Amino acid sequence: GEDVEQSLFLSVREGDSSVINCTYTDSSSTYLYWYKQEPGAGLQLLTYIFSNMDMKQDQRLTVLLNKKDKHLSLRIADTQTGDSAIYFCAERVFSHMNYGGSQGNLIFGKGTKLSVKP
Amino acid sequence: DAGVIQSPRHEVTEMGQEVTLRCKPISGHNSLFWYRQTMMRGLELLIYFNNNVPIDDSGMPEDRFSAKMPNASFSTLKIQPSEPRDSAVYFCASSLVGTETQYFGPGTRLLVL
Repeated sequence: GEDVEQSLFLSVREGDSSVINCTYTDSSSTYLYWYKQEPGAGLQLLTYIFSNMDMKQDQRLTVLLNKKDKHLSLRIADTQTGDSAIYFCAERVFSHMNYGGSQGNLIFGKGTKLSVKP
Repeated sequence: DAGVIQSPRHEVTEMGQEVTLRCKPISGHNSLFWYRQTMMRGLELLIYFNNNVPIDDSGMPEDRFSAKMPNASFSTLKIQPSEPRDSAVYFCASSLVGTETQYFGPGTRLLVL
């Protein structure tokens, strides 16, 4: 079945770069996502990448996709204390029950807790 | 836009009681998702709807769980009877079919004693 794996914790110093890694198993994934969850809040979409892309950059965020190895990473440049949160990797898969639309399920990793030390 | 609205934000109940969680998706969105988040299992999809029709409920843990979407602006997730192992944060998310973004609500934190 589908599975998404992430390391559980990452600690960095303010101003350094953070790199959060993720592996997934479904080779048919079309989109891969990074979500951010702050304490007591819902998930906020940070960015996503289509499977035919290798890289996507958005301000301080860089997403790298190695489709051969099924490896996704999120790099946060100049990490700030406000970046402390849990980061979830997710892949989009299509249920065999899906019909009448293009919406698929998201399979999430367990999240990486990023701690930024001043 | 107010975003996805969930109520209640917190619920404490006793084992055996019925629990109803509510969700109002973003206006104009036609897909709605219910997720459950626990420390042990992470974030799991329970069920999702397209145009008010349940598409995939394979994530619903057992018959004690049921979900409805009577119209485009409202959905409920009901647990009857509730058990301590149902304690979790339940998220609702909505999106527009054909787009790639699911927007999450703030969640309902459920504690079953």
